[in-house]
Amino acid sequence: DTGVSQNPRHKITKRGQNVTFRCDPISEHNRLYWYRQTLGQGPEFLTYFQNEAQLEKSRLLSDRFSAERPKGSFSTLEIQRTEQGDSAMYLCASSTGTGPDEQYFGPGTRLTVT
Amino acid sequence: AQSVSQHNHHVILSEAASLELGCNYSYGGTVNLFWYVQYPGQHLQLLLKYFSGDPLVKGIKGFEAEFIKSKFSFNLRKPSVQWSDTAEYFCAANGNNRLAFGKGNQVVVIP
Repeated sequence: DTGVSQNPRHKITKRGQNVTFRCDPISEHNRLYWYRQTLGQGPEFLTYFQNEAQLEKSRLLSDRFSAERPKGSFSTLEIQRTEQGDSAMYLCASSTGTGPDEQYFGPGTRLTVT
Repeated sequence: AQSVSQHNHHVILSEAASLELGCNYSYGGTVNLFWYVQYPGQHLQLLLKYFSGDPLVKGIKGFEAEFIKSKFSFNLRKPSVQWSDTAEYFCAANGNNRLAFGKGNQVVVIP
């Protein structure tokens, strides 16, 4: 399968714990995006990378959130000191980054903070 | 900031009925428009897209959408739905490298 993959698919954690999610984009896609989706809402943009450079961060991305894409391939999203309000589906997408292009989404990581 | 609005969040219809989902966007510059679909238990998939050219675009599974610039709209249509079209449909706009999504339309097709 050459699509976008995300791990883990589900994560249950206690409030205050740190969690890390991983996203593997489609091979040779230069751009990688993170979105968050809560029940009854469409996905909301969090941040995106062009190769290893993080080019934009949403105001939704508080100081407890950090994302990296160290070698321009896979990316990680870490949430420190999780809160119940962080419970959501975290989606990763990738695109070629050349011209107007479409984003391909992974299956998401569902986070539940208890 | 760009925004996308979708109406009639829950739609129930019978097989063979026609479907139209409204989408309006707010963005002043050049915008690319998309419809994504999420079938139960599956991830978001691209249904169709508009970048430029013919404002009537055709996508997969018999769906089409019409871009009307003067109305800032990009409505999705299918003349005759099937049970397998039961899904959530999201309209999205990309004006500055990020996608802004609407809240989605939950569509249920009754056999």
